[in-house]
Amino acid sequence: AQKITQTQPGMFVQEKEAVTLDCTYDTSDQSYGLFWYKQPSSGEMIFLIYQGSYDEQNATEGRYSLNFQKARKSANLVISASQLGDSAMYFCAMRSLRGAGSYQLTFGKGTKLSVIP
Amino acid sequence: NAGVTQTPKFRVLKTGQSMTLLCAQDMNHEYMYWYRQDPGMGLRLIHYSVGEGTTAKGEVPDGYNVSRLKKQNFLLGLESAAPSQTSVYFCASSYPRTGRTTEAFFGQGTRLTVV
Repeated sequence: AQKITQTQPGMFVQEKEAVTLDCTYDTSDQSYGLFWYKQPSSGEMIFLIYQGSYDEQNATEGRYSLNFQKARKSANLVISASQLGDSAMYFCAMRSLRGAGSYQLTFGKGTKLSVIP
Repeated sequence: NAGVTQTPKFRVLKTGQSMTLLCAQDMNHEYMYWYRQDPGMGLRLIHYSVGEGTTAKGEVPDGYNVSRLKKQNFLLGLESAAPSQTSVYFCASSYPRTGRTTEAFFGQGTRLTVV
């Protein structure tokens, strides 16, 4: 079974500062993918970044980067130069890429990020 | 680009009533999912489908049924609605697992209130 843990229910960050949102996962699979989604107050789910378990380099997408530490089973999202528009809920998710668990996309409970002007 | 479309966007039901939520995707995705989102609980998987004519239970399937008669559509049914089913429902779709990036694309959500 897969499990995602996000231990920060809410966080504050000053505008233009960097912030790290924590995500740890539990799986017995060797091949899996990790995802981060953003959910603004309008409610839609926006895909941000993906990391494969066999990717040697940490994923980056613009101001988003994923700090992937496989041995520690962590996949923290780093947002650089925070903007007011980054205020939202952020969800970490994972999916096995092989085997019976590969159909299910499992989400954490989310972290609410508030950017302070 | 329609992507994933959910119908309806809002609905209020009385306890015991039935309804069907429709999800349609135009990206030729094999996999489709229904999630519910409740405060503090994240997204929990209700049912999913890996292809036309196949469905499977997720984490919280009780009280719901699904059907996938066409590849592009995934229906979620509530036979006898209960207040505990008050939630925001999301449909999502994705390519099969063999792709490098297998992110799911989400619909805009359906806010359901059962009174």
